[in-house]
Amino acid sequence: DQQVKQNSPSLSVQEGRISILNCDYTNSMFDYFLWYKKYPAEGPTFLISISSIKDKNEDGRFTVFLNKSAKHLSLHIVPSQPGDSAVYFCAASDGYGNKLVFGAGTILRVKS
Amino acid sequence: GAVVSQHPSWVICKSGTSVKIECRSLDFQATTMFWYRQFPKQSLMLMATSNEGSKATYEQGVEKDKFLINHASLTLSTLTVTSAHPEDSSFYICSAGAEAKNIQYFGAGTRLSVL
Repeated sequence: DQQVKQNSPSLSVQEGRISILNCDYTNSMFDYFLWYKKYPAEGPTFLISISSIKDKNEDGRFTVFLNKSAKHLSLHIVPSQPGDSAVYFCAASDGYGNKLVFGAGTILRVKS
Repeated sequence: GAVVSQHPSWVICKSGTSVKIECRSLDFQATTMFWYRQFPKQSLMLMATSNEGSKATYEQGVEKDKFLINHASLTLSTLTVTSAHPEDSSFYICSAGAEAKNIQYFGAGTRLSVL
């Protein structure tokens, strides 16, 4: 049972445009959500997170939106840069310090 | 930022031997560390949760006698793959939870190849 789903395996965006990565979850107990970026043969790098008490969190070019009623979150990257090309994982947890459940990942390619 | 060091980054071993992977939190204390496994083009699968000073909690389907986890201090957890076989070849990644933050920081991963 996939509790965290990233339905788009890949996304291609032109440099300077907005990248929107989507994530859906099924477990209503999840209260904390994170986005990680990963290059091949490396560990994931933390990007941005959001608590369930918020619906938006912004950090520079990265903004995460949370729609609790739809059990949906998205990561917006604007403007997209070629260096943003990587695999992006959505993750969720159901409590402070608890284990993370990861989505399958979305490959983002930013074309220059 | 929080730094997690994982060593070795790549190891090749013969079938039947044991391999130890170390995970260290360099600039923070981590009461909980996590071990993941990633197969090619797949997501990270949690293997076990490592708690300092107590036994690890393994996910369903993970053999605790094959994947030995030790969390002897607040900055070090080790994963030992015992009697490794070719099917154990994979990318293993650790993470540590930073204090006062509900965020896990990841090591760079270890590529294990069992011949």
